[in-house]
Amino acid sequence: EDKVVQSPLSLVVHEGDTVTLNCSYEVTNFRSLLWYKQEKKAPTFLFMLTSSGIEKKSGRLSSILDKKELSSILNITATQTGDSAIYLCAASRPVTGNQFYFGTGTSLTVIP
Amino acid sequence: ETGVTQTPRHLVMGMTNKKSLKCEQHLGHNAMYWYKQSAKKPLELMFVYSLEERVENNSVPSRFSPECPNSSHLFLHLHTLQPEDSALYLCASSQDYYTGGFWNTEAFFGQGTRLTVV
Repeated sequence: EDKVVQSPLSLVVHEGDTVTLNCSYEVTNFRSLLWYKQEKKAPTFLFMLTSSGIEKKSGRLSSILDKKELSSILNITATQTGDSAIYLCAASRPVTGNQFYFGTGTSLTVIP
Repeated sequence: ETGVTQTPRHLVMGMTNKKSLKCEQHLGHNAMYWYKQSAKKPLELMFVYSLEERVENNSVPSRFSPECPNSSHLFLHLHTLQPEDSALYLCASSQDYYTGGFWNTEAFFGQGTRLTVV
């Protein structure tokens, strides 16, 4: 059965801390791993990873895919209260229109 | 603004009502999706449309009826819903593209409709 598992389920840190969020997947014919940040409603796109071992960075956020371990991590350095959100990862496989499998998300709370 | 627009943002309906959710994408994507998000559960795929043809419905109850008149618009028609159908309904669109020797996928979500069935 295709699935995506995220850990931890929730995390509380202080401003300035560095956090690492984990995502593992078992998806047939895997194509891409996507990370989203969800604050109130719509998940907003962060990264798409297709190649193993190539880090993608955007400001204080970075992510990398390990296809051998079927996993990905999302790092956030120097966390700020605005980083508080649910972080979702999704694995896609190519059917017509794509199929995305989502994890339950990691709820991150950053305390001042 | 992600380029995917959903209306309404909030909807309260009785179990005997009929209503519709609307989604519009301005990204030129060729696939659109309806997802249901309930508390503490992964996003649940309801329907996928690719090039205006439905390719998956994952055994969603018939009280949910999708419609995709063109590649930019997607509707979810609702009738005789149950209280357990209360959730956030998210629309998404996606497009595959080939770059750097790999097929890639970009997918964006709308703001969602918070549905409450009373």
